[in-house]
Amino acid sequence: GAGVSQTPSNKVTEKGKYVELRCDPISGHTALYWYRQSLGQGPEFLIYFQGTGAADDSGLPNDRFFAVRPEGSVSTLKIQRTERGDSAVYLCASSPAAVSGETQYFGPGTRLLVL
Amino acid sequence: AQKVTQAQTEISVVEKEDVTLDCVYETRDTTYYLFWYKQPPSGELVFLIRRNSFDEQNEISGRYSWNFQKSTSSFNFTITASQVVDSAVYFCALTFGNEKLTFGTGTRLTIIP
Repeated sequence: GAGVSQTPSNKVTEKGKYVELRCDPISGHTALYWYRQSLGQGPEFLIYFQGTGAADDSGLPNDRFFAVRPEGSVSTLKIQRTERGDSAVYLCASSPAAVSGETQYFGPGTRLLVL
Repeated sequence: AQKVTQAQTEISVVEKEDVTLDCVYETRDTTYYLFWYKQPPSGELVFLIRRNSFDEQNEISGRYSWNFQKSTSSFNFTITASQVVDSAVYFCALTFGNEKLTFGTGTRLTIIP
């Protein structure tokens, strides 16, 4: 079956602009996760959803970052007033359920560049 | 503190050599899960293996094998008879009793033909 998909694959924006990054999880997966990966680093957790609700958003760096999953499937990560430091690869993952130890399957990521 | 350490930043080996990637973790939890992911140049993280903290049995899958030792808090990954297609960044990761993955900084493996 289809894996996790993310759009766009690349996004270039200017400082101060608003961006939306989309994630389409594996069909049937109820848990969805967002991570951010800076150059030369491992992915860092941002937020995860179980169904429609954000179960843990402790990794969001500040209130410029927000994510939604209104119908329990597709999720959108929204970044307001982008800064150059937001440049990174944003990774989405899904798993059958948000249970400890459940394997998370990752999408190809969105590479965000803020000029 | 809960932490994953991959001390080897970069490793280069000649094709067909064996190579071991090290992973050391810190946790006070008794229940946790360990993972290895591969990130090829395309960028997508590919799941390789999952182990739980109660299962210390080593695992072999083709040319890949994993050695989990709770006594030393290590979960090392060995590739036997390496191939050029094994070139990638490899990440060790853990969940510490919750759903978030905590990743190490990765080891970049280059297989020289």
